[in-house]
Amino acid sequence: ETGVTQTPRHLVMGMTNKKSLKCEQHLGHNAMYWYKQSAKKPLELMFVYNFKEQTENNSVPSRFSPECPNSSHLFLHLHTLQPEDSALYLCASRGTGDSPLHFGNGTRLTVT
Amino acid sequence: AQSVTQPDIHITVSEGASLELRCNYSYGATPYLFWYVQSPGQGLQLLLKYFSGDTLVQGIKGFEAEFKRSQSSFNLRKPSVHWSDAAEYFCAVGRDYKLSFGAGTTVTVRA
Repeated sequence: ETGVTQTPRHLVMGMTNKKSLKCEQHLGHNAMYWYKQSAKKPLELMFVYNFKEQTENNSVPSRFSPECPNSSHLFLHLHTLQPEDSALYLCASRGTGDSPLHFGNGTRLTVT
Repeated sequence: AQSVTQPDIHITVSEGASLELRCNYSYGATPYLFWYVQSPGQGLQLLLKYFSGDTLVQGIKGFEAEFKRSQSSFNLRKPSVHWSDAAEYFCAVGRDYKLSFGAGTTVTVRA
C-alpha cells in the first residue's frame, strides 16, 4: 500500500475511445500531480493541482483533460488519443513545505 | 532552467559488489536533490533527499548520496548490492512542486 492508489493498472484503448484514469491518495496531501513516463525518457510533468486548483498545465494536448474534485482524488480523462500517447501514467501527491512526492504504481496505457 | 543528466543508461553489477550511480544537475539556485527507485510494475519510491546541511545523506535500503556543489553532482552509492536492488533509479532536482527528473539508470544484478 503506497498511500497513492491508481486504477486501472492497465488500459488498452482505441483512438476513438473515451476513458478515464483515477488516482486516490490517503496521505492527507493537498497537491496532486500527473506525470507521463515513456521508455528511457525523463518523467514529464503534465498537470499539478494544489487545493483542488490547477496550478500547472505543462503544454499538454487537450485530448488529456484532468479533473480534481477534492484534495484526495484526481482523474485524467482521455479522448481521441494517439499511439504515441502509450506510456505509463503516474499520479503523485505531496504535502506542504518541502515534503517529497509520493507516487502511485501507475496506469500502463496502450493506444491501438 | 533546471535539468538532470544521468550519464549511465544501464549498469550491471555483481551481487555483493559496490554500486555508484552518477547524477549531474543544472539549477539556478541551491537545489533540492532526490533519488527515487522504481521496481518493475511499480511507481517511484523515495530513497533519499538532500535539502541542506551535511553533504553526505543516508537513505533507505542502505543507500547514501553525496552532494558536491563544485561538480554539480549528487551520486548515489551502495557498498554491497543485493539482488533485490535490481531496478531503475532516477535522480531529480527542484524546489517546491517542480521537479525535473533524469532519464534513469537501469541496474542489473548478476549472481
